[in-house]
Amino acid sequence: GESVGLHLPTLSVQEGDNSIINCAYSNSASDYFIWYKQESGKGPQFIIDIRSNMDKRQGQRVTVLLNKTVKHLSLQIAATQPGDSAVYFCAENGYGQNFVFGPGTRLSVLP
Amino acid sequence: EAGVAQSPRYKIIEKRQSVAFWCNPISGHATLYWYQQILGQGPKLLIQFQNNGVVDDSQLPKDRFSAERLKGVDSTLKIQPAKLEDSAVYLCASSSNFRDKNNEQFFGPGTRLTVL
Repeated sequence: GESVGLHLPTLSVQEGDNSIINCAYSNSASDYFIWYKQESGKGPQFIIDIRSNMDKRQGQRVTVLLNKTVKHLSLQIAATQPGDSAVYFCAENGYGQNFVFGPGTRLSVLP
Repeated sequence: EAGVAQSPRYKIIEKRQSVAFWCNPISGHATLYWYQQILGQGPKLLIQFQNNGVVDDSQLPKDRFSAERLKGVDSTLKIQPAKLEDSAVYLCASSSNFRDKNNEQFFGPGTRLTVL
């Protein structure tokens, strides 16, 4: 079946820099996308979501961008902090579908 | 508001043994999910309940896995007999109603299973 994937398995950034985590999806019928953060020993935690009728959505220090033309999703984290170190997953969902998670990107914040 | 509770947090068994996991969702949440998360991968849905009925179990290996949510509240997931490849974190999640437009899922901490 169709699935969600990520370009980079690991990402290291300096504290204070901006982080960009990318995700490619293949199911053109997906209309809802979520970014999750998963810290060691914990379950995934909702960060931000976006529907397919939007191109951009902003939260606190986070921005999600959706490019439906190339089926690409990105998560931008401004002024990355040590507490942002975690694995980040994108997940897609559409009518009649269950959520499909990507493999995840590990973000490491360097002091 | 209390989150999704799972127990045990860790379990080590030998192959061919049986194991059961328990999940108590957020109060009032109609939809409950069990996911399997193999190390280095994203969660994969095993089964989804709406109240006490199964909505989707297409990815559940039914020859060895079973799950129930008899009273529409807490749920158990069982593996019998376990195989080495079942080693993973088993995540339980709940949401108010999967038919809602903004259906945020809340995850529990997971149960880490190691099969030796």
